Amino acid sequence: RKEVEQDPGPFNVPEGATVAFNCTYSNSASQSFFWYRQDCRKEPKLLMSVYSSGNEDGRFTAQLNRASQYISLLIRDSKLSDSATYLCVKSSRANNLFFGTGTRLTVIP
Amino acid sequence: GAGVSQSPSNKVTEKGKDVELRCDPISGHTALYWYRQRLGQGLEFLIYFQGNSAPDKSGLPSDRFSAERTGESVSTLTIQRTQQEDSAVYLCASSSRTVLDNEQFFGPGTRLTVL
Repeated sequence: RKEVEQDPGPFNVPEGATVAFNCTYSNSASQSFFWYRQDCRKEPKLLMSVYSSGNEDGRFTAQLNRASQYISLLIRDSKLSDSATYLCVKSSRANNLFFGTGTRLTVIP
Repeated sequence: GAGVSQSPSNKVTEKGKDVELRCDPISGHTALYWYRQRLGQGLEFLIYFQGNSAPDKSGLPSDRFSAERTGESVSTLTIQRTQQEDSAVYLCASSSRTVLDNEQFFGPGTRLTVL
């Protein structure tokens, strides 16, 4: 089983829509979780960390459910500029990161 | 300030040749990571350096792959006797402490094509 699994999409949504991505992970000992964003043919960049208490950054909300071993990302009021691939990431005790294959989002005018 | 840089940005080589990929991390960043990303795929962890030591080499796909880091700075990823399946973008990232606490900053990658 992969360390991190994501629905690859694509998700095609109209501007202004709310869209949610889920990601499941194996190994309950995983310590930290993140969402990274990767634009086409660009390097990944950190979008936000994910905490058990949930965290919000503007239109973006991330949540972690350790009991069910999944994390989620909610994007409200989608903008054209949100079009990208969103990577679910977890760390291990060995300090390396495991990346999901990414979920592609396209926001349509 | 300067971010992570990688060179070359593109490399085309013939099957069987050796290649060297270079990564210059952000100055002062003690942790350095190499990843591979095949077309349309996710990131595959290769190796991680803390200082000049590599506590985790578990991701290196074969003994044709090796990496070193010197001066707690520059790192080189070497692929010997390249194969077509080595074609991918090789990404380097650095962070200031352990990944548990700090963001990883990625370089633009080296796109390797093995003919």
